[in-house]
Amino acid sequence: SQQGEEDPQALSIQEGENATMNCSYKTSINNLQWYRQNSGRGLVHLILIRSNEREKHSGRLRVTLDTSKKSSSLLITASRAADTASYFCAPLGTGGFKTIFGAGTRLFVKA
Amino acid sequence: KAGVTQTPRYLIKTRGQQVTLSCSPISGHRSVSWYQQTPGQGLQFLFEYFSETQRNKGNFPGRFSGRQFSNSRSEMNVSTLELGDSALYLCASEKDGAINNEQYFGPGTRLTVT
Repeated sequence: SQQGEEDPQALSIQEGENATMNCSYKTSINNLQWYRQNSGRGLVHLILIRSNEREKHSGRLRVTLDTSKKSSSLLITASRAADTASYFCAPLGTGGFKTIFGAGTRLFVKA
Repeated sequence: KAGVTQTPRYLIKTRGQQVTLSCSPISGHRSVSWYQQTPGQGLQFLFEYFSETQRNKGNFPGRFSGRQFSNSRSEMNVSTLELGDSALYLCASEKDGAINNEQYFGPGTRLTVT
């Protein structure tokens, strides 16, 4: 298992703008997942991208994966105040069973 | 299908006491993982149980223990509570051991140690 590291630690934008968060990891992965956490609550699964995929979309979410750079990005387009939350990436390494979460990116969307 | 449930939702204990938290996974899910989340340390993995066996373990002291029952429900126990154990404890369930599973999280138990 391995841990993803999100960047930036915090991001503040205006409603309607796009938000981009990045995730880096260290070893080979089977897949990488993104989760959202609203303040003090459980995590909600957003999207899973497999190691043989380069881009995936889900509604206003766009995830890219670059296995050569061991990095992923999450783009939220046309952000809304309700998108205010912490976002975590969870890379699942080829050798392990468990996803380990990083510190997350805290996104603030101002109305 | 009912989601992951955790009980209790809030708990206040005194230093030195012990506590047991409970997690009921989604019906049919066999894997339960536990996480501790604090403002300073972020989200940290405690352990994972699959079919009543501990399959993975994080770097926590032996005061933190868990178990899983035949119906996949899991409990987590913390003995000799310390102030630093105050945190949000999250459990997550997965269907099985497949590598492309997503985790479904419960709402968490907020533990405060005074």
